[in-house]
Amino acid sequence: AQSVSQHNHHVILSEAASLELGCNYSYGGTVNLFWYVQYPGQHLQLLLKYFSGDPLVKGIKGFEAEFIKSKFSFNLRKPSVQWSDTAEYFCAVNAAGGGADGLTFGKGTHLIIQP
Amino acid sequence: EPEVTQTPSHQVTQMGQEVILRCVPISNHLYFYWYRQILGQKVEFLVSFYNNEISEKSEIFDDQFSVERPDGSNFTLKIRSTKLEDSAMYFCASSESSGGYYNEQFFGPGTRLTVL
Repeated sequence: AQSVSQHNHHVILSEAASLELGCNYSYGGTVNLFWYVQYPGQHLQLLLKYFSGDPLVKGIKGFEAEFIKSKFSFNLRKPSVQWSDTAEYFCAVNAAGGGADGLTFGKGTHLIIQP
Repeated sequence: EPEVTQTPSHQVTQMGQEVILRCVPISNHLYFYWYRQILGQKVEFLVSFYNNEISEKSEIFDDQFSVERPDGSNFTLKIRSTKLEDSAMYFCASSESSGGYYNEQFFGPGTRLTVL
């Protein structure tokens, strides 16, 4: 079974600060990795995903994440955050391969950006 | 842009009552999922569904839960006898099958279930 650990439950930053949210996973096989964002009052939206290939993936709204296989990590980064990035961020994983494998989510990181 | 829709947005029920949560997945998708998020906790996988049968389920998905695709568009989650601890946000998701490694899941807005 997979598990996902997000190290920071609450993060408060000022606008223009750089962001890095940690995510580590535990699974014995090949995985797909995802970051989802949930803005206040809205549903889960995919920020970015990693399936294979270049371990540095770029997503929407200037976010990127790097898959480091040796560390079982998939940290989310953004060089300069904006007030509108205030949201809950979830790292998720499922087993690679076709099929209906459910996502295992981390507990989420509540990010607050102060103007 | 196609999206997953869910109804109702909020359901209030009495303990012991049956509820049915409805979802309309994206039309060309073949895999369907239910997740729940208890307030303040992480999103948890409940069940996945493909080709008119359950593909995978978690230990949360016990005998009081069932899923169905009654027609070509709807995907439902039924809770037979609700308990207080079933209060949560329930998310439906769907994904298309490419037969390969790509399996992005698209989420609906959720149904907030409150059991009194």
